[in-house]
Amino acid sequence: GESVGLHLPTLSVQEGDNSIINCAYSNSASDYFIWYKQESGKGPQFIIDIRSNMDKRQGQRVTVLLNKTVKHLSLQIAATQPGDSAVYFCGISGSARQLTFGSGTQLTVLP
Amino acid sequence: KAGVTQTPRYLIKTRGQQVTLSCSPISGHRSVSWYQQTPGQGLQFLFEYFSETQRNKGNFPGRFSGRQFSNSRSEMNVSTLELGDSALYLCASSLYGGAIEQYFGPGTRLTVT
Repeated sequence: GESVGLHLPTLSVQEGDNSIINCAYSNSASDYFIWYKQESGKGPQFIIDIRSNMDKRQGQRVTVLLNKTVKHLSLQIAATQPGDSAVYFCGISGSARQLTFGSGTQLTVLP
Repeated sequence: KAGVTQTPRYLIKTRGQQVTLSCSPISGHRSVSWYQQTPGQGLQFLFEYFSETQRNKGNFPGRFSGRQFSNSRSEMNVSTLELGDSALYLCASSLYGGAIEQYFGPGTRLTVT
């Protein structure tokens, strides 16, 4: 099966700085990766996804990087804003076609 | 386009009772997946329904069951509730099915006393 590890359970950044949130996974057959943002009292909100045939994908202020060699996934948020404060989860899927999630990183944006 | 809706948002039940939760997916989405979220275990996959058929199932006991209707709305049932079933239950809908681009609802907060 798949297991997903997280590098940091909490991350604090200054407003305007860039944030980097990491995930590590165990199964080299994993082929789909997704990031969610969850604010207190709400369901997870889709941010960005990437398939295993890509190394990088960019969205609005966000970039996902996939390093299949070391089985590492990261989410970069540019110019972090107070509204970015939330818990961020990575989800990873392989042939089972179901998502296994990391435990989440609490991002706090400092004024 | 309206998002995923879940009802009820909050529920308090007593140990031994059963509960049914409802999820309406985004219009046009035929896949609905259910997850349990707890502080200790995080987000865990329960099952997925696609076009009224259960297509995938996580490692939960048979007390957890679900179904999907022809309009893609889905219900999840938990029988013989235990204290450990207290959690946020989330459903997610997807146009493509499986893990691809799932959109979550706000969840139902279930408290078992």
